[in-house]
Order: sequence, then C-alpha cells, then structure tokens
Amino acid sequence: EAGVAQSPRYKIIEKRQSVAFWCNPISGHATLYWYQQILGQGPKLLIQFQNNGVVDDSQLPKDRFSAERLKGVDSTLKIQPAKLEDSAVYLCASSFRQGGDEQFFGPGTRLTVL
Amino acid sequence: AQTVTQSQPEMSVQEAETVTLSCTYDTSESDYYLFWYKQPPSRQMILVIRQEAYKQQNATENRFSVNFQKAAKSFSLKISDSQLGDAAMYFCAYRGTSYGKLTFGQGTILTVHP
Repeated sequence: EAGVAQSPRYKIIEKRQSVAFWCNPISGHATLYWYQQILGQGPKLLIQFQNNGVVDDSQLPKDRFSAERLKGVDSTLKIQPAKLEDSAVYLCASSFRQGGDEQFFGPGTRLTVL
Repeated sequence: AQTVTQSQPEMSVQEAETVTLSCTYDTSESDYYLFWYKQPPSRQMILVIRQEAYKQQNATENRFSVNFQKAAKSFSLKISDSQLGDAAMYFCAYRGTSYGKLTFGQGTILTVHP
C-alpha cells in the first residue's frame, strides 16, 4: 500500500513570495490533515478535511494561508505572501475516518523563507 | 483546550539499556487516545504505540511499553533493550474521540550510545 505522498520535499523562497505544497493521501482515506512543525516543536494542526469539506481550520492563518481538497482526494496548501516565521516543516497526514483511526504521515515539506 | 507536556528535551541511553520518556497531559474529556510517535531525521512520523483511555491495561508493542496513569494524567514510554535505530525525536500526542486532531507535546530527543 502506497503511503502519503508530498511534494516538494524542500522549498526555499524569499519573504512575500507565494508557495504551494501538494499532498496525496493513502487511497480510500476520507480524512486529511495539514500540520505545521516549527523547528524544535511538535506539529500543530492547521486544517483538517473530511472528504472535501473543512472540519477544523481554527489555527490556520487565513489572511495568508489557504487549502483546498476539491475532489476529496489530494490537497494543496498555499501561503501567500510568506513571512519569515512560516519557515517550518509542513506535514500531511491521512486517516480512513476522522474518529479513532491511525493517522499516517507523509515525509513533509521543509520550507525556508529568507 | 487539551495540552501535552514533555518535560525532558533530551534523553540518552546506552545500547541494550532501558529508558523512560515522560509525558503529562491536561483534558476535561473522559475518553480519548494517547500516542507516542517517533520522528527520525528523515522527518517521517511513525506511530510507536497507542493507548485508549478506557482501557486500564497498559499497551505494549515488542520493546515498547507505556505506563498510563489516568488519574495523574501521565503517559510515559519505556523502551527496553535500546537499539541504535531507536535514536530519534519522540512525541507524545493526544486525540479526543470526536475529531481526529492530534495535539502534540514539544518532543524529546533520544540519543542511543553504542
């Protein structure tokens, strides 16, 4: 079974530029999560999708971050414009359901904002 | 809101020895899940062990076991017969039963000495 795929693995941009990350969850997984992991900290949930609907985006900085999961499969997370404090690893995870199921994580995208 | 605290930023152990990583959490929910995740330098988050709060029996997975003290809101991870491959960042995480969101602690870096 293929795991959660993410791309790119690394991205370096200047502040005020825009960037997009892509995630393809495990086939059949209805729930998709985006986490932000700042260096030296634990991951923090940015947004959770159930199929193509948003379940929780309470910690998403909506003035600059956006995410979509149009067909309930893969998802894109965008930052526009980026700030220095957005430098982090962005982890995507998926689970079969949103309740008691294990979350499987992708390898993450390391973003550096200069 | 739920919080997870890992008070040991770093721990070290000799190969073949036993080490215990500490975790405390705060919640008003009576039913929930607790997890230990391992994150090696590759950044891939790997589930080590999970515990359902309604189960009194401590979870065990091969060399990994937990000491779950519900009243004290404590959830420690014991690694027996430590191996060089156990070296990684370890995160304690909490999840309620309603949604899949994981709340992570700050992490503990484990070093294994040969």
